[in-house]
Amino acid sequence: GAVVSQHPSWVICKSGTSVKIECRSLDFQATTMFWYRQFPKQSLMLMATSNEGSKATYEQGVEKDKFLINHASLTLSTLTVTSAHPEDSSFYICSARQGPPRAFFGQGTRLTVV
Amino acid sequence: QQQVKQSPQSLIVQKGGISIINCAYENTAFDYFPWYQQFPGKGPALLIAIRPDVSEKKEGRFTISFNKSAKQFSLHIMDSQPGDSATYFCAATSNSGGGADGLTFGKGTHLIIQP
Repeated sequence: GAVVSQHPSWVICKSGTSVKIECRSLDFQATTMFWYRQFPKQSLMLMATSNEGSKATYEQGVEKDKFLINHASLTLSTLTVTSAHPEDSSFYICSARQGPPRAFFGQGTRLTVV
Repeated sequence: QQQVKQSPQSLIVQKGGISIINCAYENTAFDYFPWYQQFPGKGPALLIAIRPDVSEKKEGRFTISFNKSAKQFSLHIMDSQPGDSATYFCAATSNSGGGADGLTFGKGTHLIIQP
């Protein structure tokens, strides 16, 4: 299947700082990428849809000013968690669609805010 | 409102047995139903998927059964192996938007295959 690479795989940051997570589609172009959040032993919740060349679409209840999404190219989307707090600690996962509707996921980023 | 309901929450199956996980959806606009396998600390991996125009799809030991009228679909894992122990998620989406819709996931099933 297609390869989606996510970096970093884990990060620890201090409360109040910002963290950037990258999501790359390595062998295909993705006009749309998706960002999910997953708490321990729970399901994936869609946070936002990242659109190349336009603003991201956020799901209800997701703060767009806290979770900044930039889809800089057809192979790269970034999620920046701004002014992170301990409650933002979670597993963040991106996905990209190749020849919709097949979706492939990155390996995830474990964010711990201390 | 949970649009995709998945059961059971956890499942223990003996090696060589059949593992069965069920999902039901509510949104009739959904037209693509994938299953994902996730190991701890990893992203989900696409296992198998089905569209509503077929009632069954088989890939190796994995089979999806789909009942459009009942709005239900299930995953069967034949000859289950210890390496199949993982969390399985069913999902659904609508492709009518040209791929712009994210996936709606079930809550997941923690599968344990006992040797």
